[in-house]
Amino acid sequence: AQSVSQHNHHVILSEAASLELGCNYSYGGTVNLFWYVQYPGQHLQLLLKYFSGDPLVKGIKGFEAEFIKSKFSFNLRKPSVQWSDTAEYFCAARPYGNNRLAFGKGNQVVVIP
Amino acid sequence: AAGVIQSPRHLIKEKRETATLKCYPIPRHDTVYWYQQGPGQDPQFLISFYEKMQSDKGSIPDRFSAQQFSDYHSELNMSSLELGDSALYFCASSSTGGDTSQQQYFGPGTRLTVT
Repeated sequence: AQSVSQHNHHVILSEAASLELGCNYSYGGTVNLFWYVQYPGQHLQLLLKYFSGDPLVKGIKGFEAEFIKSKFSFNLRKPSVQWSDTAEYFCAARPYGNNRLAFGKGNQVVVIP
Repeated sequence: AAGVIQSPRHLIKEKRETATLKCYPIPRHDTVYWYQQGPGQDPQFLISFYEKMQSDKGSIPDRFSAQQFSDYHSELNMSSLELGDSALYFCASSSTGGDTSQQQYFGPGTRLTVT
């Protein structure tokens, strides 16, 4: 069964610090990868996605992620966070040709002003 | 732009009662997905429908059933509710047309509390 792993569930950092969240998936075939953000009390919003092509993907709000096939990873990065980036971040994977998304446990990120 | 609509947004039920959650996909989206997110947990896939037919089934209890109607809205019916069913239930929709690479757009969720 496919699984998605996210580490460091709770991350606390100051404004302007850099953020990197790790995501690893366990699936050998073609896979679509996603990062979603869930602000407090809100629904999941798509930050970025990778289907194919350039492994460095740029998303909204200054986020980017790099797909490294050899490491089965899709890490999320932001060079300089803001207080408004306080949220929970979910990595998700979907094998090509499959419907369902498999989510990681999420990273709770708190940015201190 | 129109988004996924879910109703009700909040629902409080007692144990052994039934609940019906509704999802209205983005216009012209033909696929609906249901996910359950327990407190402090990641969303878990329950079930999906494409063109009114069940297309995939995940960890959905037998006490739950769902369907997609001719107008593409979907309903999740939950019977014999248990305390452990308390969760946020997300609906997502996509314009699949047979191609499952399309992005899923999530609704705001229905927060179900079972007392």
